[in-house]
Formats: sequence, C-alpha cells, structure tokens
Amino acid sequence: DAGVTQSPTHLIKTRGQQVTLRCSPKSGHDTVSWYQQALGQGPQFIFQYYEEEERQRGNFPDRFSGHQFPNYSSELNVNALLLGDSALYLCASSFLLQGSETQYFGPGTRLLVL
Amino acid sequence: GENVEQHPSTLSVQEGDSAVIKCTYSDSASNYFPWYKQELGKGPQLIIDIRSNVGEKKDQRIAVTLNKTAKHFSLHITETQPEDSAVYFCAASWNYGGSQGNLIFGKGTKLSVKP
Repeated sequence: DAGVTQSPTHLIKTRGQQVTLRCSPKSGHDTVSWYQQALGQGPQFIFQYYEEEERQRGNFPDRFSGHQFPNYSSELNVNALLLGDSALYLCASSFLLQGSETQYFGPGTRLLVL
Repeated sequence: GENVEQHPSTLSVQEGDSAVIKCTYSDSASNYFPWYKQELGKGPQLIIDIRSNVGEKKDQRIAVTLNKTAKHFSLHITETQPEDSAVYFCAASWNYGGSQGNLIFGKGTKLSVKP
C-alpha cells in the first residue's frame, strides 16, 4: 500500500515565478491538507481540500491556491514567488472514520526561491 | 487561535535512558493530540496520538499522557536507542464541522541519543 507521494522532490525557482506542487494521497484517503515548513520550525497549515473544495484555510495570502481532483490527488500553486516562500511543502492525507481523522504526511517538496 | 508550545527545543540522552518532551496548548476545544517524528530529509511520521477522552496511551517504548485541566501533554520514550534520534513535533487539533480540524504544531524537539 503506497503512502502519500509528492512531486517533485526538489525545485528551484526565481522571485516572481509561479510553481505547482503535486500530491497523491494514501489509498482510501479522501482529504488532503497542505503545510509549509520553514527550516527549524514546525509545519504551518496552508489549506485543506475535501470533495474537491477548500474546506479550511490557514493564514496564508491568496497567492497560495490549490485544487483537488476527482481521484483525490491535489495540487498546490504559489504565484509571484517571494524569497520567504522557500520551505519544505508537506502534503498530508486523511480519512474520516467514526469522527476521528489521522493525518499521514508525504516526504515533502523542498522549494528554493532565488 | 490555538497555540502550542513545546519544550525542550533540544534534548540529549544516553542510550537506554528515558526521554520526556512536554507540550502545552491554549484552546480548551482541542481534542486530538498527535506526535510526529521527523528524520532529516523526510516528512513527519506519526508515532502515537491521543484523544481528549483518554488520559494515557502506550505503544511499546512510547507513551503519551494528557492533562486536560492543565492543558498539557507529554511524550515519554523509554530505553532510548540511537535510531530514536530525530526531531519530534507535538500538535493539537479540534473538531471542525464533523471532521478533524487542521493541526497546530509545536516548534519541535531535537532528540539526540548517544551510544
């Protein structure tokens, strides 16, 4: 059973560019959450997708947008990249069972903005 | 909003000793508290979690305790081994529209186990 997968593993962009990161959830999971992890910090919640809609959103500007596809995979898009967007971007998938939901993380995409 | 504080930021123990990491949370509505282990270059891996209707949970060498009144929870690792060396994160979450809300993470504890 494959876990959460993310692509690409590493990415280098320049300021002002746009980037798209991809995530495939764990088999049987229908919810995808995205987190940003700066170096030496804990992950920070960006947003969560369920049934192809954004269900929750953290304190991130609207330069950060996402999408969920019918097969539950998801994309994170960041426009007008800033140096401060350099971070590890983590995708987590989950499935609601009897009122509880456990998030499982992928390996992340490391983004460097120059 | 919810805030999670984690201590200590670094912890060094001798192989075979116990390690304890403590977290406090601010929002009494939080009801789910997972712990993640993150090794260098990898994503966080869930190691144990606890819900607010339980005071303690154990899985082999790892245990978590929760004190809802004081709003704090702790991770206990016994008989530590070098492979336990990693960064450990605590997190808190709450019910959101019938599902689980997003996770709020602490800043992490870097655990080093010396052989």
